[in-house]
Amino acid sequence: QMQLQESGPGLVKPPETLSLTCTVSGGSISSSSYYWGWIRQPPGKGLQWIGSLHYSGSTSYTYYNPSLKRRVTMSLDTSKNQYSLKVRSVTAADTAVYYCARQSGDYWAYFDSWGQGARVTVSS
Amino acid sequence: QTVVTQEPSLSVSPGGTVTLTCGLSSGSVSTGYYPSWYQQTPGQPPRTLIYTTNIRSSGVPGRFSGSILGNKAALTITGAQADDESDYYCVLYMGGDIWVFGGGTKLTVL
Repeated sequence: QMQLQESGPGLVKPPETLSLTCTVSGGSISSSSYYWGWIRQPPGKGLQWIGSLHYSGSTSYTYYNPSLKRRVTMSLDTSKNQYSLKVRSVTAADTAVYYCARQSGDYWAYFDSWGQGARVTVSS
Repeated sequence: QTVVTQEPSLSVSPGGTVTLTCGLSSGSVSTGYYPSWYQQTPGQPPRTLIYTTNIRSSGVPGRFSGSILGNKAALTITGAQADDESDYYCVLYMGGDIWVFGGGTKLTVL
C-alpha cells in the first residue's frame, strides 16, 4: 500500500529556507509511471499546487507553479525513496500545511495518494 | 493567469442532490483538462473522489459522480448524507505540466 510521509521543521524564521522531505513507502519513486507533487494549504484557505517531480531514464524533471518558481527547488533521492522541497526567503505567507502526493493517470493529472501533511509556521 | 473557479459555499438537504462546479475565469473546461475532485474534512488530507472527469476512485460511494456540464466540470452528489459535509476541491491539468486547484466549495448538509 502506497504511503507518503512528510517531515521537517515545524517552525522557520523569515527570511530563511523552509525544507521538507517526503518519504515514500509501498512503491518506488523511480517509477516513470508517476509524478510526485507538493501541495500546500495556508490556515483556513484552499489548496495550492507548488510543484512536481518526475523520474525517467535516470533523469529527474521538475515542474513548478509559476507564482512560486523563483523561490522553490525540488529534488529526489532514489536511494532513500524520498523527495524534498525547499522554499527560500520565506515570509508569514508561507505558513501552511504542506502535503506531498503521488500523481497518476493521463498526464499525471490527478493526485491519488496523499501524506498526512506537515504544519509549518513562519515566524521570528 | 487563469483562475479555476468553484462556488464558495453550497448547501443540500439530507437525501437531496447537489452539483458542484469547476470552471475557468477564461474559457471552457473540457475532458482535456482531466478534471479531478477531492473531499477534505478539517484536519485531514484531501481524499480523491473522481479523476479523469468521471472515474470514481477506489472505495468512493456511487452517490458521487463526475461530468462535464456546459462549460464546466461538475461533481454531483445524489442522496447526500451528513458525512458529505466537507470542503471539495477540483484540479485541472492546464497543460505544460501545470496543475491548478480551484478555490474550493464548502458543502453544508442541513
